[in-house]
Amino acid sequence: QKEVEQDPGPLSVPEGAIVSLNCTYSNSAFQYFMWYRQYSRKGPELLMYTYSSGNKEDGRFTAQVDKSSKYISLFIRDSQPSDSATYLCAMKDGNNRLAFGKGNQVVVIP
Amino acid sequence: SQTIHQWPATLVQPVGSPLSLECTVEGTSNPNLYWYRQAAGRGLQLLFYSVGIGQISSEVPQNLSASRPQDRQFILSSKKLLLSDSGFYLCAWSVDNNQPQHFGDGTRLSIL
Repeated sequence: QKEVEQDPGPLSVPEGAIVSLNCTYSNSAFQYFMWYRQYSRKGPELLMYTYSSGNKEDGRFTAQVDKSSKYISLFIRDSQPSDSATYLCAMKDGNNRLAFGKGNQVVVIP
Repeated sequence: SQTIHQWPATLVQPVGSPLSLECTVEGTSNPNLYWYRQAAGRGLQLLFYSVGIGQISSEVPQNLSASRPQDRQFILSSKKLLLSDSGFYLCAWSVDNNQPQHFGDGTRLSIL
């Protein structure tokens, strides 16, 4: 079993829909959880950062962490064409070791 | 605010040639610095990280090396490039081990 599993997609949604992305992980030592957005030919940009179970909201973005199920999610409300990108989940243990998902490509259709 | 710069954005090199990619961070002191390679369908692979000047940790054995000659400068090098060195190279920084990493815009390296 891979340490971090993320469905690569692509995921196509109409403009205005809710985008739902998720990652599962196997290492219970992971304490910090991140979501990055990566546009084509650019570096990943940090969207959300959390270290506790529950929800964290920032504008149209909500990150959800369920440590008991080893499952994290990212929701994008009122999706826009500019949200079209690859979304990477990442998680870190107490020794600063970072593991990334392979990325999920999202296409928002106008 | 902090910014990270990588150059060049694109590079085409022949097999067997040397390599030097540079990364600099502005607006912070003594950052942790990282080099990653991102291959299509394989996610990000950590190559090197540094917690201070002259301190380099290597994560995977390979044809590459890294150096940190100044506090906010991180260099990725190779003496002789292989075809397998092609990829998208990303530099990142973080304030410390508990804070998230922030990435530059990468260098796309093609080996011919």
